[in-house]
This record gives sequence, C-alpha cells and structure tokens, in this order.
Amino acid sequence: QSALTQPPSASGSPGQSVTISCTGTGSDVGAYNYVSWYQQHPGKAPKLMIYEVTKRPSGVPDRFSGSKSGNTASLTVSGLQAEDEADYYCNSYAGSNNWGLFGGGTKLTVL
Amino acid sequence: EIQLVESGGTLVQPGRSLRLSCAASGFTFDDYAVHWVRQAPGKGLEWVSGISWNSGAMGYADSVKGRFTISRDNEKNSLHLHMDSLRLEDTALYYCVKDRTSSGSRGFESWGQGTLVTVSS
Repeated sequence: QSALTQPPSASGSPGQSVTISCTGTGSDVGAYNYVSWYQQHPGKAPKLMIYEVTKRPSGVPDRFSGSKSGNTASLTVSGLQAEDEADYYCNSYAGSNNWGLFGGGTKLTVL
Repeated sequence: EIQLVESGGTLVQPGRSLRLSCAASGFTFDDYAVHWVRQAPGKGLEWVSGISWNSGAMGYADSVKGRFTISRDNEKNSLHLHMDSLRLEDTALYYCVKDRTSSGSRGFESWGQGTLVTVSS
C-alpha cells in the first residue's frame, strides 16, 4: 500500500492557474474513477473539493477542476485567490483491500 | 447541519487498548458508509478504516489490520474504532468521516474535528 505521489509544493500568483498532480498505479488511480481531492487549511479539518475525478460538491467554486489520464490524476485551480493557499491531498479507491489511498499532500502557496 | 463528534482520544501506553467513538447527527446515518482517517502531527492524511451502511463490508489499512476493529450502531447513530496493541506510530488526530455513498470511498464528504490519540510511555 504505497501512498500516491504528489509534489510537496506548488505555487502561483493571484489570478494564475496551478495544477497539482497525483500519480498512482494501475491498481488504484488507473483502475477506478474514484479519485477525490481535499483542501486543508492549518488547524482545520479537510474539505472535499473534487470527487469521482471531475465532480464538484455543491459550494465548491468552479475554479477547481479535476482530471485523470492513465495512472495520474490532476487538480487545477484557476484564477488563484489568497484563500486557496492550503494543503491539498488526493485520494483513490484501490479495491476491497484498500478503500482510501491518500497522496502525501501538496502545499499550495499563493505568491 | 451534519455533525460528527469524536471522543475517546487520550494518552495511552504502547501495547494498550483504546476505543474511539463518533456521534453523528444531521443526516440519515444508516444511509451512508463512514470512515476513520488519521493525521499524525505535522504529517499527511492516512485512511485507517471504513464500514458500509449496514456493516456488510469493512476495510482496514495494512498498518492497522489485525489490531483495529471498526463497528457502527445504526440505532444510536454512532461509529466506533477499537484499537488494540497500540504503537508509537499510531499517535495522531483521528477524524470521523462521512462518505458520499452507502458503500464507501466515493468521496469523504463530511469531517469531524478529530480526537487526539497519543501513544507514549
């Protein structure tokens, strides 16, 4: 059960776009369309931002979008705002023996 | 408003046992799968265990398999995690999490504020 691979950090200026990658294997990200993304501000509980690769829960701005190609999923944040600065985690279903494999997290800095 | 309130976290010695609980409200508890997700101090998220709406399916991370047991009481809208043979590396904030669906891992939709477990001699 190796964690999914995310870059430790990402950054962008206000108004710019940034993409965070999440690389797994053919047994998790590549096998299922059950990739989700979470935003976590310091000292707060995580918040669901994207589920089933591309879907946004009610209330999440459409500046947040998700995609997947092969074994790599991506989260794109467009029109960066100061409040987007946070840690972001990806997660994938990996079968009946592992319901929720997380990535190591990416710290997004808005310059 | 959906609320998930964890309890039971404390300081415990290695090798001992502990039981965490989560009280759920604001939604139809027995319509959804629920999970435990933990976060060690300064570290990332780790899925620990999940249970389907009717307890028909359960899953565990390899790191806790054979030591932790998840259960739920749909009559009392509660989720539990029984932890045996605790190790130093089990030290973490444990979150109770509601899934989007009844079967599990289709998106961790709602999170509690967590209960802190510290394993130390």
